[in-house]
Amino acid sequence: EPEVTQTPSHQVTQMGQEVILRCVPISNHLYFYWYRQILGQKVEFLVSFYNNEISEKSEIFDDQFSVERPDGSNFTLKIRSTKLEDSAMYFCASNPGPYNEQFFGPGTRLTVL
Amino acid sequence: QQQVKQSPQSLIVQKGGISIINCAYENTAFDYFPWYQQFPGKGPALLIAIRPDVSEKKEGRFTISFNKSAKQFSLHIMDSQPGDSATYFCAARMTTDSWGKFQFGAGTQVVVTP
Repeated sequence: EPEVTQTPSHQVTQMGQEVILRCVPISNHLYFYWYRQILGQKVEFLVSFYNNEISEKSEIFDDQFSVERPDGSNFTLKIRSTKLEDSAMYFCASNPGPYNEQFFGPGTRLTVL
Repeated sequence: QQQVKQSPQSLIVQKGGISIINCAYENTAFDYFPWYQQFPGKGPALLIAIRPDVSEKKEGRFTISFNKSAKQFSLHIMDSQPGDSATYFCAARMTTDSWGKFQFGAGTQVVVTP
């Protein structure tokens, strides 16, 4: 069964460093999303991406965040200068259309020291 | 603004018992309400979903009850099994939201004891 994959599973970084979180969505999906979950809190929407551009972003998704689909398979989330409060689990999701079920990846746990 | 409120935070139930998780929403434009199940180390996976034109949906041991006037919906897990031990998230989405993003509840950790 096709699934969304994410790498790495755990990333530890120093405050101020740049990190790139990688996702491989399901191959025939067209809509891509990033969500994050701070430990013990709810899953929060960050950004949606369609047709090689951001379609919507939340207030969390400020200038330090960016997304890219550098090739036909990968979907990345870059955090330019990490802060302690960026420590969270980051989930990638994809679906073939905006009203279809969203399939989530296993997440990347980001720890900022 | 917390658009979807979920309770309880955690739940311990004996094998064979009923697990009940509740969610309340604020935005009346929401028209799709899924429940996601998440096991440790895995991403959330769709369990069951409902639209507001029905008051109940059942799939196997899992039932969603929906109360549109109260803006509440709940997940019932009948005959709970140890394999049901997971974190459960309710969510909501608007069809008018072109990009399909979800608003999630805070999650409920369910532990089913043998």
